[in-house]
Amino acid sequence: RKEVEQDPGPFNVPEGATVAFNCTYSNSASQSFFWYRQDCRKEPKLLMSVYSSGNEDGRFTAQLNRASQYISLLIRDSKLSDSATYLCVVNLPWDYKLSFGAGTTVTVRA
Amino acid sequence: DTAVSQTPKYLVTQMGNDKSIKCEQNLGHDTMYWYKQDSKKFLKIMFSYNNKELIINETVPNRFSPKSPDKAHLNLHINSLELGDSAVYFCASSLGQGNYEQYFGPGTRLTVT
Repeated sequence: RKEVEQDPGPFNVPEGATVAFNCTYSNSASQSFFWYRQDCRKEPKLLMSVYSSGNEDGRFTAQLNRASQYISLLIRDSKLSDSATYLCVVNLPWDYKLSFGAGTTVTVRA
Repeated sequence: DTAVSQTPKYLVTQMGNDKSIKCEQNLGHDTMYWYKQDSKKFLKIMFSYNNKELIINETVPNRFSPKSPDKAHLNLHINSLELGDSAVYFCASSLGQGNYEQYFGPGTRLTVT
């Protein structure tokens, strides 16, 4: 079983719509959670960290559900520039490495 | 100024050749990484160095050898290239080990023919 699993999508949404997707992780001891964004043929960049109580950054909201071992990302009022692949990233407390999901592709259309 | 830079950006070579990819960061970070992203877009850690010391060495063929001459540089040498080595290789750096944001270089797209 992969450490981090994501629905690959693609999620095709019109501008202004809300889109949400989840990521599940296998190790209940996982402690740190992030969403990275990767544009086509570009490098990944940190979008936001995910905190236990959930957090917002502008139009982006991240939630953590430890009981069910998933994190979610919600994008409100989608913009064309939100089109990208969103990578779920998880870290174990005793491990120096980050585990990346394969990504969820979002395409926002005009 | 580019924070994490890699050279070359593209590399096309034949099976059996030896090649190197170079990475430099000017962020003053202590920790650097090499990742491989295959055609399925899965980003997998290969190596990590903290202040020139190897701290992560995943199950990678020993044809791959990282070298960190100083904490700002992490190079990757690949011997006897195989078709399956074709991928995008990303270098990254972070302030330290563990739970820190990682900054990625632009990637090196390696094609082995």
